[in-house]
Amino acid sequence: SQQGEEDPQALSIQEGENATMNCSYKTSINNLQWYRQNSGRGLVHLILIRSNEREKHSGRLRVTLDTSKKSSSLLITASRAADTASYFCSSGYNKLIFGAGTRLAVHP
Amino acid sequence: DAGITQSPRYKITETGRQVTLMCHQTWSHSYMFWYRQDLGHGLRLIYYSAAADITDKGEVPDGYVVSRSKTENFPLTLESATRSQTSVYFCASSPQAPGLINGSPLHFGNGTRLTVT
Repeated sequence: SQQGEEDPQALSIQEGENATMNCSYKTSINNLQWYRQNSGRGLVHLILIRSNEREKHSGRLRVTLDTSKKSSSLLITASRAADTASYFCSSGYNKLIFGAGTRLAVHP
Repeated sequence: DAGITQSPRYKITETGRQVTLMCHQTWSHSYMFWYRQDLGHGLRLIYYSAAADITDKGEVPDGYVVSRSKTENFPLTLESATRSQTSVYFCASSPQAPGLINGSPLHFGNGTRLTVT
């Protein structure tokens, strides 16, 4: 079973709009990580949020974590066509378990 | 060049054949991982290794064998390939357990696309 589940499965927006992706997980965590995958490539780490943090920013990315609800969200502000990719959340201890991802399409 | 490299990039093999996918990293990371990615399933962990000579099963280990005699290499072997093992395989590495409170992110290779006919 997957540790993280992303929602929605797919998201289509226009350039300049914000994109929000959600992630739910099942067991207690020390941190939760978000990754991005461009078509045909490996995953690239975006941001790590610790269990004692509620919000974290990195450029146009904003991640929140609610450990009481076992959920996290990734917000991409002012999206660009280059943000088109799949986004995954993951958690675990010795091993990271990934969800099925959210496919984001940003149209010019 | 420093980084994590997978080979081959593409592989076609026949059912029943043994095939080995290679993964090499130059960072001396302790942890290494093998994932497979299929449409509708995201990434699923096959095996991982916390150090040389230490390996453990992931979510979908059946039909696969791994070894780690050297820190920098983590080959994945399909002992008798089946069509259900057609997939994209990703190797990743991390300097320490990724789930620590100050855990490290995973660094991924660009994958091997395997087709079993």
